[in-house]
Amino acid sequence: EVQLLESGGGLVRPGGSLRLSCAASDFTFSDFAMGWVRQAPGKGLEWVALAKSTSTERFYADSVEGRFAISRDNSKSTLYLQMNSLGVDDTAVYYCAKTRITGWHFDHWGQGTLVTVSS
Amino acid sequence: IQLTQSPSYLSASVGDTVTVTCRASQGISTSLAWYQQKPGKAPKLLIYRASTLESGVPSRFSGSGSGTDFTLTLSSLQPEDFATYYCQHFRSLPLTFGGGTKVEIK
Repeated sequence: EVQLLESGGGLVRPGGSLRLSCAASDFTFSDFAMGWVRQAPGKGLEWVALAKSTSTERFYADSVEGRFAISRDNSKSTLYLQMNSLGVDDTAVYYCAKTRITGWHFDHWGQGTLVTVSS
Repeated sequence: IQLTQSPSYLSASVGDTVTVTCRASQGISTSLAWYQQKPGKAPKLLIYRASTLESGVPSRFSGSGSGTDFTLTLSSLQPEDFATYYCQHFRSLPLTFGGGTKVEIK
């Protein structure tokens, strides 16, 4: 069964940095684009970033462009999200999610990791 | 591409049939997915390509539409169906989600 396990969330001060990890198992990680989706408390879902399967192509939402960096290590089946210059609006549960070959919709999600930006 | 879901909230009884609408700001062919999310849990994929049921999802869930107008229909609501539902387009980047529809028990 596909498993995605996020880690690295926590409390960080405004302007600080945090790195999230997502360990994947039970599927061929290098075959699929992977993404991060976040959800602020009591709010809806917001796509954050996407990393294509084997290329270096990376894509970002305007709200995080230039501050966040998505990366992946296919040899370790792990996805990362480096978050810099964090602001209070970045407070959210961050989900790692696997896409489908049929398109960039998400067929498996991790349990989420909470990032709280507060002074 | 913006996605507008309606209604944002609906109240229904077990056994009812309800419909959620998702409207795209421009044509997206059938590049639309629907998710269910329960409190404190990750979203779960229900339908992709507008009308294809994800494996393991009960057949009381169905989707339709193409272009700009899409619907998710929940037939014969069960207690476990009370949740929030989101649409998402994957026609192009940036990916976007609808604002969500919360389905509550009447």
